[in-house]
Amino acid sequence: NAGVTQTPKFQVLKTGQSMTLQCAQDMNHNSMYWYRQDPGMGLRLIYYSASEGTTDKGEVPNGYNVSRLNKREFSLRLESAAPSQTSVYFCASRIEGLGGYTFGSGTRLTVV
Amino acid sequence: DQQVKQNSPSLSVQEGRISILNCDYTNSMFDYFLWYKKYPAEGPTFLISISSIKDKNEDGRFTVFLNKSAKHLSLHIVPSQPGDSAVYFCAASARTAGNKLTFGGGTRVLVKP
Repeated sequence: NAGVTQTPKFQVLKTGQSMTLQCAQDMNHNSMYWYRQDPGMGLRLIYYSASEGTTDKGEVPNGYNVSRLNKREFSLRLESAAPSQTSVYFCASRIEGLGGYTFGSGTRLTVV
Repeated sequence: DQQVKQNSPSLSVQEGRISILNCDYTNSMFDYFLWYKKYPAEGPTFLISISSIKDKNEDGRFTVFLNKSAKHLSLHIVPSQPGDSAVYFCAASARTAGNKLTFGGGTRVLVKP
């Protein structure tokens, strides 16, 4: 059982380049989330999808777009990367209702 | 404006002793609280949770206490073990906000043998 799988694990971009971070879960969870982790800031919510076909902004959505491709997959796109987007990105999923999230192992992104 | 705060960025404790991690929140709508543990190069993993209708929840060596009037929760680890060395995140959610998790900044715990 893979849980939540993120690709790639590491990426270096130049300012202005674009890229898509991929996330897939095999637990039949309805809700999926993208967070970024920065030192001292904890994890901050970028975008989330409460169910297939819906997406909503979180706390820090500027500079990002998302696609909930199907129930399993939720991708995060940086259209024009900026150094401020250097961070570790985590995807998570959760079944309906209360309960903790299951996180992927993260993507470490550096924008130079 | 952080709604969930962990004011101690780091904590060092001797093996076998108690580790106490603290977390404060400002949003009175939060009704569910969780602790996550994170090792380097891994995603956070769920540790323990507590609903706002309770003031204590225990799971083995881990106990979470909730003081709603003070908007404060704490995690006690007894006894601390070297494998507990990790970053611990406090998180909170509100039913009225779709149960999305809001995280604190984390506390790095080092358990010395």
